[in-house]
Amino acid sequence: RKEVEQDPGPFNVPEGATVAFNCTYSNSASQSFFWYRQDCRKEPKLLMSVYSSGNEDGRFTAQLNRASQYISLLIRDSKLSDSATYLCVVNSYGGATNKLIFGTGTLLAVQP
Amino acid sequence: NAGVTQTPKFRVLKTGQSMTLLCAQDMNHEYMYWYRQDPGMGLRLIHYSVGEGTTAKGEVPDGYNVSRLKKQNFLLGLESAAPSQTSVYFCASTLQGYNSPLHFGNGTRLTVT
Repeated sequence: RKEVEQDPGPFNVPEGATVAFNCTYSNSASQSFFWYRQDCRKEPKLLMSVYSSGNEDGRFTAQLNRASQYISLLIRDSKLSDSATYLCVVNSYGGATNKLIFGTGTLLAVQP
Repeated sequence: NAGVTQTPKFRVLKTGQSMTLLCAQDMNHEYMYWYRQDPGMGLRLIHYSVGEGTTAKGEVPDGYNVSRLKKQNFLLGLESAAPSQTSVYFCASTLQGYNSPLHFGNGTRLTVT
């Protein structure tokens, strides 16, 4: 089982739709969680950190469920410019050291 | 404020050739990282550094070497390139390790024939 798993998609949604992605992680000792956005042939950029109580940034809401070991990203009122790959990233405690585990990404395509 | 800058952006090598990828950051970050990204796989850590003069192995270090002689620069070397090293390479830096956001360079596309 992969340490961090995401549905690769693609998610094809119309403009204005609400879309949600989930990401599961295997290490219950994981400490911090992030969503990054990566445009085609570009570098990943931090979209938002994920806090235990859940957090919102404009049209984006991130949630953490430690009991079921998953994080989610909800995008409301999708825009064409939201089309990208969304990477789930988990800071996993590996005993002596931490390590950052990247998911393979979920591709979102927002259609006009 | 440039952030993280990588050079070169593209390179084609023949098997057995060597090259160095340069990463420079102007944010005074202590931590720097080299990742590779391959289709169908998440970014994988090659080597990292927690400060000037220090380096450590990541998940996939074989075939690569690194140096951090100055705080702002982190160099990735391929001594004898192999086709398996065809990939997109990203450098990143953080202020406080993995609990703070990664700032990535814009990547180097390397093809080894």
